[in-house]
Amino acid sequence: DAGITQSPRHKVTETGTPVTLRCHQTENHRYMYWYRQDPGHGLRLIHYSYGVKDTDKGEVSDGYSVSRSKTEDFLLTLESATSSQTSVYFCAISGDRGPTEAFFGQGTRLTVV
Amino acid sequence: AQSVAQPEDQVNVAEGNPLTVKCTYSVSGNPYLFWYVQYPNRGLQFLLKYITGDNLVKGSYGFEAEFNKSQTSFHLKKPSALVSDSALYFCAVRDNRQNFVFGPGTRLSVLP
Repeated sequence: DAGITQSPRHKVTETGTPVTLRCHQTENHRYMYWYRQDPGHGLRLIHYSYGVKDTDKGEVSDGYSVSRSKTEDFLLTLESATSSQTSVYFCAISGDRGPTEAFFGQGTRLTVV
Repeated sequence: AQSVAQPEDQVNVAEGNPLTVKCTYSVSGNPYLFWYVQYPNRGLQFLLKYITGDNLVKGSYGFEAEFNKSQTSFHLKKPSALVSDSALYFCAVRDNRQNFVFGPGTRLSVLP
């Protein structure tokens, strides 16, 4: 796997609590992405980043925020977790030298009870 | 907006037979197309991509894909399936904002 680490790998949290997921890369890639994977929906883009402090919303951004204060770290925060945010979350990275592929982390399985 | 369709939720094939996993796309401009594979409890692994050039693209693990511009298709193929190829396969397109749009996935089962 490319140098991408997601933490935690598994988390159970209660409805209404804030949760932060971390994505750390060692590839110095410019682009970083957060996706969620749900049965029947494939992967849906939550937020993405083009560089430090340069982020934007994806198709399912409601209830999520992100921050990227360093090239290597991209944080996803669920401001007040809901059961509908129970999912598997994937971070991905991609370079900016042409249309290169994305590399994925191992995923974080989040359960909101 | 860019979109990707994978018309089959499930594909079953006998070991040793050829396999095809279908993908069609809708993009504005040049299509940058990708195939990924996901094994249980793992992240997505890159298999191959089409950027430009030859319509037949070769990738990892003996997989290849055929780009067909007139049919807006990018089907994944393998001449002889292995049981270990059983997994979830995703087709994706990179859009003009450098984001990746994924299809819903196709589950491939290779039967011994």
